[in-house]
Amino acid sequence: NAGVTQTPKFQVLKTGQSMTLQCAQDMNHNSMYWYRQDPGMGLRLIYYSASEGTTDKGEVPNGYNVSRLNKREFSLRLESAAPSQTSVYFCASSVYVIIGQNNQPQHFGDGTRLSIL
Amino acid sequence: AQSVTQPDIHITVSEGASLELRCNYSYGATPYLFWYVQSPGQGLQLLLKYFSGDTLVQGIKGFEAEFKRSQSSFNLRKPSVHWSDAAEYFCAARWFGNEKLTFGTGTRLTIIP
Repeated sequence: NAGVTQTPKFQVLKTGQSMTLQCAQDMNHNSMYWYRQDPGMGLRLIYYSASEGTTDKGEVPNGYNVSRLNKREFSLRLESAAPSQTSVYFCASSVYVIIGQNNQPQHFGDGTRLSIL
Repeated sequence: AQSVTQPDIHITVSEGASLELRCNYSYGATPYLFWYVQSPGQGLQLLLKYFSGDTLVQGIKGFEAEFKRSQSSFNLRKPSVHWSDAAEYFCAARWFGNEKLTFGTGTRLTIIP
């Protein structure tokens, strides 16, 4: 059981380049999330998808777009990479969350380490 | 604003010693609470969670956490640490009606022989 799989694991980009980070989960979860992790700041939510066909902004969405391709896959795109987007990106998934019953833990992938020069 | 505070950035303990990592949350309502561990180069692994009921929660790897409403705290404990416990630990909370999981800034644990 692979859980949450992220590709690639490492990437170096030049400023202005575009890139898509891929995430897939095999746990039949409905909800999926993208976070970025920066030193001293914990994890911050970029975008999430509560269920297939829906996406919503988190706390730091600027400069990113997402696509919920199907139930398993949730991709994060950087259209024009900037040095401030150098970070470690984590994808997570959880059982479907009904508003008011959001007590399900999230399961995380191993991360994508992205450097933008 | 909803927030989670981990006041200790870095803690060093001797192998075999006891451990307590602190976590406090803001905002009046009690959130759902979680502790995660992150080993170097890895993703986050859930250690334990608290939703309601018994305030002492048991998790994996011998960890436990105690919820104290009066102190808005959810501290993580382990009676005797092992060298393999060296990692970064994150406390997280999710409030009623909010999709967002709010993380603390993490506590890095170093184990010395």
